[in-house]
Amino acid sequence: NAGVMQNPRHLVRRRGQEARLRCSPMKGHSHVYWYRQLPEEGLKFMVYLQKENIIDESGMPKERFSAEFPKEGPSILRIQQVVRGDSAAYFCASSPPTGHRLAGVPYEQYFGPGTRLTVT
Amino acid sequence: ELKVEQNPLFLSMQEGKNYTIYCNYSTTSDRLYWYRQDPGKSLESLFVLLSNGAVKQEGRLMASLDTKARLSTLHITAAVHDLSATYFCAVDRTSGSRLTFGEGTQLTVNP
Repeated sequence: NAGVMQNPRHLVRRRGQEARLRCSPMKGHSHVYWYRQLPEEGLKFMVYLQKENIIDESGMPKERFSAEFPKEGPSILRIQQVVRGDSAAYFCASSPPTGHRLAGVPYEQYFGPGTRLTVT
Repeated sequence: ELKVEQNPLFLSMQEGKNYTIYCNYSTTSDRLYWYRQDPGKSLESLFVLLSNGAVKQEGRLMASLDTKARLSTLHITAAVHDLSATYFCAVDRTSGSRLTFGEGTQLTVNP
């Protein structure tokens, strides 16, 4: 069972360009979370999505950032008109739907390898 | 707003020594997670603590949770160089909700 996949692993964009980060959750997982890690800092929550629904976007910057998780295909985090301050590692995590969690197996989020965005 | 604080933020220790990393959180939760992160890498799950008094051990690491004190500890026994990494604790309010992370403890184990 493949783990959470993210691509690209490294992304370089010039200021003003758009960045698209993709996340494919683990097989059978329908919950996706995006976190951002600035250099030398901890991870900060951005958004929580289920298929075709945004459940919690309280950590998303109000402008330029958007996220989606369509019925088919990966979840996408989109950053428009990137600025240098957007340079960070962006991690995606997934978890199974509540009803499908195995008895006796604690709930947890499984993290992908991250996309390291550099804005020049 | 849920806040999670770790201390120390930086820890340099000699091989063979013991030490404890502390994680305090601000609101009621009975679920706490510990992760390890190597430079440039993703997060590796170490422990999931789900109830008051939970204690888990893996190798030289042992984690515990006191929900009444809102405190978790990660104890390192007889440190070895391979344990050098950044350790994060994280809390969620309810199962399935977002994780709130501490700032991380950067551990360096010197030979």
